[in-house]
Amino acid sequence: GAGVSQTPSNKVTEKGKYVELRCDPISGHTALYWYRQSLGQGPEFLIYFQGTGAADDSGLPNDRFFAVRPEGSVSTLKIQRTERGDSAVYLCASSLTRLAGGSGELFFGEGSRLTVL
Amino acid sequence: AQSVAQPEDQVNVAEGNPLTVKCTYSVSGNPYLFWYVQYPNRGLQFLLKYITGDNLVKGSYGFEAEFNKSQTSFHLKKPSALVSDSALYFCAVRDVNNFNKFYFGSGTKLNVKP
Repeated sequence: GAGVSQTPSNKVTEKGKYVELRCDPISGHTALYWYRQSLGQGPEFLIYFQGTGAADDSGLPNDRFFAVRPEGSVSTLKIQRTERGDSAVYLCASSLTRLAGGSGELFFGEGSRLTVL
Repeated sequence: AQSVAQPEDQVNVAEGNPLTVKCTYSVSGNPYLFWYVQYPNRGLQFLLKYITGDNLVKGSYGFEAEFNKSQTSFHLKKPSALVSDSALYFCAVRDVNNFNKFYFGSGTKLNVKP
């Protein structure tokens, strides 16, 4: 596609429910990132994929958060037993090449706004 | 630890006047610095980056940024502001120990008034 696509754009759920957020990166981009942006804050790193594997998941806040990218393209961020503190905008970004050793910029989607009641 | 700071939550400027959005950084080693812009209900868009070389970096939409090593700053500038420049601006630094990570500032809201 022309850009990074994220669905849903808005998700309202109840505390304790399970949520899935989807990211479709720019075609051909091998690197994929998930960030979380809370109100009034900059994006915070969650997880990075190079191809199909999670190369760095050190930003995931706890074991309720999990992400997959089974075929090296589309990724799904999964949140179990949601809490009110999970409310934020979840941003996906992709990049053409692995950034290690390079200087490439990230291309962001418009985000999925999650509200946990 | 790597970090950036944006000391101003908001910057107001009149259309046609020069604008500056401030950013300071804290890194060990040579910094990789970036500016992103976020328009309402849109994703972050890359504006420009500093990796090495000339301290004055030119980017999209007429923006430029000046890298100042002695002051550990990377301020975003534009000679003549447009109303359409009104948006949220984020400074970011790439982790020199883990290139997978970018650390973003808290953002500065730029208001350009006609």
